[in-house]
Amino acid sequence: GAGVSQSPSNKVTEKGKDVELRCDPISGHTALYWYRQSLGQGLEFLIYFQGNSAPDKSGLPSDRFSAERTGGSVSTLTIQRTQQEDSAVYLCASSLGQGNTEAFFGQGTRLTVV
Amino acid sequence: SQQGEEDPQALSIQEGENATMNCSYKTSINNLQWYRQNSGRGLVHLILIRSNEREKHSGRLRVTLDTSKKSSSLLITASRAADTASYFCATDNSWGKLQFGAGTQVVVTP
Repeated sequence: GAGVSQSPSNKVTEKGKDVELRCDPISGHTALYWYRQSLGQGLEFLIYFQGNSAPDKSGLPSDRFSAERTGGSVSTLTIQRTQQEDSAVYLCASSLGQGNTEAFFGQGTRLTVV
Repeated sequence: SQQGEEDPQALSIQEGENATMNCSYKTSINNLQWYRQNSGRGLVHLILIRSNEREKHSGRLRVTLDTSKKSSSLLITASRAADTASYFCATDNSWGKLQFGAGTQVVVTP
């Protein structure tokens, strides 16, 4: 596609359930980033990928959070046993990588844990 | 944790006035970028300044970078109501990790 695509755009889930968020980056972009944004707040770095490898996972809030990227393209962010404090907008971005970090963002997934 | 901190947190101006916001960061960088966000969804890239540059212009935007003070400023000249948005600075390191500040909320009233 022409831009970064995230799905679903909105997700309401019950506390304790697992959720999977998907990100389709721009074709050819080797770098992919996940961020979390709570209402009115800044972007909290979660994880980024260079190809299929994640050089930095330091931002993942707990071991309930995991992410993978396959084929150097699609990435999924999984949150297990969701908690109310996980409610936020999850943003994905991609860039060409290799020194070019101009990031293109998807529209985000708004996750609400009830 | 966040790499950058924007100042002020919020800014309210009238159309035609200039808006200036600042960003400070903590560690060495390759580049510093500014992004804009409307309605709490995806961010849009505005401008990138490299660590060896001191000033850059793009349309009504002017960005400065002072690596000795680890700070940058974004100036929007002749602001318009459509400039109402949140503005974020972002820094990247040699590994390509891109980190954002907390943002400045700008409101431009007609």
